[in-house]
Amino acid sequence: QVQVVESGGGVVQPGRSLRLSCATSGFTFTAYSFHWVRQAPGKGLEWVSFISSDATVKYYSDSVNGRFSISRDSPRKIVYLQLNGLRADDTALYYCARHRDDGSLDYWGQGTLVTVSS
Amino acid sequence: SFVLTQPPSLSATPGTTASVSCWENMLSTRTVHWYQQRAGQAPILVINSDTDRPSGIPERFSGLNYENLATLTITRVEAGDEADYYCQVWDMSRGLWVFGGGTKLTVL
Repeated sequence: QVQVVESGGGVVQPGRSLRLSCATSGFTFTAYSFHWVRQAPGKGLEWVSFISSDATVKYYSDSVNGRFSISRDSPRKIVYLQLNGLRADDTALYYCARHRDDGSLDYWGQGTLVTVSS
Repeated sequence: SFVLTQPPSLSATPGTTASVSCWENMLSTRTVHWYQQRAGQAPILVINSDTDRPSGIPERFSGLNYENLATLTITRVEAGDEADYYCQVWDMSRGLWVFGGGTKLTVL
């Protein structure tokens, strides 16, 4: 069955970096694009980044553009999100989700928590 | 960019119908998707492409997108439907995915 599992979260000081991983299984990884979506404590969903199936197209929200970087490793079936220049308002649960052609996100992981605090 | 506006809360009693709204000017020119997020859990896609139900989603869930308003309707509401519901749109021209602010459905 389709599985999406995030990891790599933790507590980090402002200005530092972190790399999140999204391990996938149960489907043909190279056929799908992926997203990262985050949710600050007690808040709603905020889209963060997208990577196409062949990694040629990448998009970022205005709030993370220039600081975060998305990538993918097809042999290992993993999607990454590199978080640089972290700020307190980046504190959130970060979800990885699979993209459908109609623009929806059909499978989500359980998330990995990033806390930015001094 | 655009903003998807949802009411922050809604309540319903078991067995009745609940309707969650999502508003944006000319929303019907876009495709709307809906997600359910129960407390402490990851979101689940419950309606895609305005009206389609993914496999495993009960027929009690339906969607409509007309003019400026998209609606997620849940008939015969159950206690297990208590959750936050989010609408979402893909702005393909700008490479942006936008979520509404979410509506908390409380089942009384």
